[in-house]
Amino acid sequence: AQSVTQLGSHVSVSEGALVLLRCNYSSSVPPYLFWYVQYPNQGLQLLLKYTTGATLVKGINGFEAEFKKSETSFHLTKPSAHMSDAAEYFCAVSDPIGSSNTGKLIFGQGTTLQVKP
Amino acid sequence: ETGVTQSPTHLIKTRGQQVTLRCSSQSGHNTVSWYQQALGQGPQFIFQYYREEENGRGNFPPRFSGLQFPNYSSELNVNALELDDSALYLCASSRDRGEQYFGPGTRLTVT
Repeated sequence: AQSVTQLGSHVSVSEGALVLLRCNYSSSVPPYLFWYVQYPNQGLQLLLKYTTGATLVKGINGFEAEFKKSETSFHLTKPSAHMSDAAEYFCAVSDPIGSSNTGKLIFGQGTTLQVKP
Repeated sequence: ETGVTQSPTHLIKTRGQQVTLRCSSQSGHNTVSWYQQALGQGPQFIFQYYREEENGRGNFPPRFSGLQFPNYSSELNVNALELDDSALYLCASSRDRGEQYFGPGTRLTVT
């Protein structure tokens, strides 16, 4: 069974500082990996995804993540935090899309990012 | 191109009642997945509809049911509401079970 663990339910950084949100996954098959952001009272917005190929993935709003198979990790980073980055962030894993799969997303518990001025 | 829409935005129901939530998929998408997000938790997969048929189900009881219509819009029905059903219900549409695009959600409160 697949699972996702996000280390740290709350992360606080100063504006301009490095953002690092940690995600480890468990999967019996090569996974697809995702990071989503959720602003208060809104749905989920895809930040970036890893399916195959290059292990360093760049997303929207300056975020990037690196797939490390040996560490079963997919940590999210941003070099310089902005006040507008304050939100809830979810890491998710799915099976590769195939005739017998749903591509359903298994989410972690989420990490709340606080950005201090 | 219209994104994924959900209705209603909020609703309040009483324990034991039934509720229907609606989702309109993005143009060109034939797959709808439903998720339940309890307060402070990550979303949990309820089920998926692909070309009008259920195509996978999470660990939810049978009182959670759904439909997908020929235009690929979808409904989530919950019978015999319980207090623990209070949550944000998210719908996501995709093409051929691919990348999922989420709607804004329906906030259900059961009292």
